[in-house]
Amino acid sequence: SQQGEEDPQALSIQEGENATMNCSYKTSINNLQWYRQNSGRGLVHLILIRSNEREKHSGRLRVTLDTSKKSSSLLITASRAADTASYFCATETWGDDKIIFGKGTRLHILP
Amino acid sequence: DVKVTQSSRYLVKRTGEKVFLECVQDMDHENMFWYRQDPGLGLRLIYFSYDVKMKEKGDIPEGYSVSREKKERFSLILESASTNQTSMYLCASSSRNEQYFGPGTRLTVT
Repeated sequence: SQQGEEDPQALSIQEGENATMNCSYKTSINNLQWYRQNSGRGLVHLILIRSNEREKHSGRLRVTLDTSKKSSSLLITASRAADTASYFCATETWGDDKIIFGKGTRLHILP
Repeated sequence: DVKVTQSSRYLVKRTGEKVFLECVQDMDHENMFWYRQDPGLGLRLIYFSYDVKMKEKGDIPEGYSVSREKKERFSLILESASTNQTSMYLCASSSRNEQYFGPGTRLTVT
């Protein structure tokens, strides 16, 4: 069962530019999370935003959540080569200990 | 720091073999999960466990079983490996919201 869907599927930008990825979901959520996966590795948790929050920051990351539109965005400012990775959104619904991942956005930072 | 380890990074098995994938976490997390990841399909949940000896089916449990005899260890078993089980297998653990992932096992079934 797929809940989150990231957009775009792939994104290439120049180093130093900002990267924006979007996630849409279908049902009401408790929280939404973003994860990063470097090629051939496990996922790493980046940030969690709860359903009653609208915006959250962590370093160069900015996440927004619009529950009326059932969508979230992840902004990476001043991108670096090390940001090249796949980014996944994941949603947790109320009363459920498991989260459902989207298919991810592949981000490539060009030197 | 939470550490989740998986027994192998790469594994090659023959069709019909019984395969064990082991996952160990060191943070006393209640919840553990097994996913498989395939190109274009994202992460799909195979099985998860809320506690020792407890297991719940995920979205694609067919052809798999699991075992959780100790809190820190969650094993994924392929009873009779098939070529369509060639994939990247990811284990994760959590106590509250965020999940901590192991490095993954890339399994090839020939």
